[in-house]
Amino acid sequence: QQQVKQSPQSLIVQKGGISIINCAYENTAFDYFPWYQQFPGKGPALLIAIRPDVSEKKEGRFTISFNKSAKQFSLHIMDSQPGDSATYFCAARVNPTDKLIFGTGTRLQVFP
Amino acid sequence: NAGVTQTPKFRVLKTGQSMTLLCAQDMNHEYMYWYRQDPGMGLRLIHYSVGEGTTAKGEVPDGYNVSRLKKQNFLLGLESAAPSQTSVYFCASSYPDMSERFFGPGTRLTVL
Repeated sequence: QQQVKQSPQSLIVQKGGISIINCAYENTAFDYFPWYQQFPGKGPALLIAIRPDVSEKKEGRFTISFNKSAKQFSLHIMDSQPGDSATYFCAARVNPTDKLIFGTGTRLQVFP
Repeated sequence: NAGVTQTPKFRVLKTGQSMTLLCAQDMNHEYMYWYRQDPGMGLRLIHYSVGEGTTAKGEVPDGYNVSRLKKQNFLLGLESAAPSQTSVYFCASSYPDMSERFFGPGTRLTVL
């Protein structure tokens, strides 16, 4: 099954809080899991990515946690800021192709 | 570098009309893609190209055609627009075997 299920659909967080977005998959042929960030009126842009041989990757306030046995991965945004307000998409690449399957997106709003 | 550009930014069509969306990239990328973004549906691949003169179908190709006559350009055509094609269309490009997609700013299309 080539699907990536993303939740929640929307998320409201207070400034300084932790934002958590979850994704789950079934296809074990996925070999690369990127997260894209999209601001209103703009195209998505790569935020952070992880490969399944690593359980966690951190870049600044953004961390991906990966649970291979549960087939789940999540994005954590620490110390969330109003500037983080955007739509976030998880994705998974189908090995050995270049095909990316995107999740349905999470709209994050961070209030001061 | 302009990156990935798309024209037009907005367009309103009547049912049955035709139009072409133009995508251009100046990063010398081999691969180019057309996606559509709909609320709650994420990003869905329409067509893609792995090189000049080549095209292939994605997840939702019906009602669309594409051409890649030049490496830097990828055109998306709607021969007979339908209200179901109301969407935001994103073009993207990438290097071969690199999963990072570089997205354009999008075209908002409304079909009445």
